[in-house]
Amino acid sequence: DTGVSQDPRHKITKRGQNVTFRCDPISEHNRLYWYRQTLGQGPEFLTYFQNEAQLEKSRLLSDRFSAERPKGSFSTLEIQRTEQGDSAMYLCASSSGQGSTSGRANNEQFFGPGTRLTVL
Amino acid sequence: LAKTTQPISMDSYEGQEVNITCSHNNIATNDYITWYQQFPSQGPRFIIQGYKTKVTNEVASLFIPADRKSSTLSLPRVSLSDTAVYYCLVGDKADSWGKLQFGAGTQVVVTP
Repeated sequence: DTGVSQDPRHKITKRGQNVTFRCDPISEHNRLYWYRQTLGQGPEFLTYFQNEAQLEKSRLLSDRFSAERPKGSFSTLEIQRTEQGDSAMYLCASSSGQGSTSGRANNEQFFGPGTRLTVL
Repeated sequence: LAKTTQPISMDSYEGQEVNITCSHNNIATNDYITWYQQFPSQGPRFIIQGYKTKVTNEVASLFIPADRKSSTLSLPRVSLSDTAVYYCLVGDKADSWGKLQFGAGTQVVVTP
């Protein structure tokens, strides 16, 4: 499977614990995005990488959140001291960062299946 | 970024055509209109993108009137597997890194 993969798919943790999620993008994609989605809402942008550089962070990304992409390939999202409000689906997406030449989207993003976090 | 408004939900029967209209009154000259589809427990998936008039692919058609203040996603002859949330997004073509701004989307439910 050459799509975006995320691990784990589900995570249940107790309030105050730290959690880390991993995203493996499509191999030739240099852009990687993290989104968060709560029930009944669309995904909300969290942060974005071009290769290993983190170029933007949303105000949603509090100091307890940190994301890395050390070698410009996979990325990790860590949440420290989890709170019940952190319960959500965390989605990763990647893109090639190139315009469309095949009639598909300008900068189309390919999403992974997500990691569902439940904080008790 | 232009704000979009779309219906919260739509119901349809198998075999019918489903049309979802999205309003984007403040669309800018450089903005493209893109639709994504999301099944339960999966990430969103690109469906179609357009700038003006009509775009058609193997999955859907996108109709955009001349004033571009709205757009309509048309799903022909839906099946049960088309039950999903559909998101309308508007973004600047020149925004090369393409942060996606999702609204709440339209929940489409297809029944037998």
